[in-house]
Amino acid sequence: QVQLQESGPRLVKPSQTLSLTCTVSGDSIRSGTEYWSWIRQPAGQGLEWIGRVYTTGTTNYNPSLKSRVTISVDTSKNHFSLKLSSVTAADTAVYYCAKCVGGWYFDHWGQGTLVTVSS
Amino acid sequence: EIVMTQSPATLSVSPGERVTLSCRASQSVSGNLAWYQQKPGQAPSLLIYGASTRATGIPARFSGSGSGTEFTLTISSLQSEDFAVYYCQQYNNWPRTFGQGTKVEIK
Repeated sequence: QVQLQESGPRLVKPSQTLSLTCTVSGDSIRSGTEYWSWIRQPAGQGLEWIGRVYTTGTTNYNPSLKSRVTISVDTSKNHFSLKLSSVTAADTAVYYCAKCVGGWYFDHWGQGTLVTVSS
Repeated sequence: EIVMTQSPATLSVSPGERVTLSCRASQSVSGNLAWYQQKPGQAPSLLIYGASTRATGIPARFSGSGSGTEFTLTISSLQSEDFAVYYCQQYNNWPRTFGQGTKVEIK
């Protein structure tokens, strides 16, 4: 059974960089058959796809966040990471990592982690 | 960006009733549509992909239909555990986009 777990600071100051890691168990990122994504959800709102990474390190980002987002993968540690720079209060949300089947839909999700941007 | 519009925003239903949720895309997404269920405090979970294929372990009371720009999720007989928010998501174009959700609440 594939499991994903987000980790990282829960509180980030405005203008700083949000950094999260998603550790995968029960599947190997190195297998090269899936994509690995980040999705966020502000409180009481809908879901926003942030971007994805493939085992080779190839990435795709949401244009609305592209200038501030970096997603990377570490196959030796079986995890992938999100960095979002120059954060503001509008970036406060629950951040989910998810396994993306074929780069299409999301069949396994982490439990999510609430990141608050505040001074 | 493809805009996904779900209706209604909220649906008040009694257990045992048949429920139909709608999702409309601003342009054709072919059959590249998924549905998710999200319960309070939990991550979304995959229900349907390819517009009509149930994900592993999803009960047969959930069914999806549609193609192009109009899609429907039907729950044939609502169970207590089905009260949740439902999201559609297109994966035909970049960026991947979700609808704003339909909340199914107890009447």
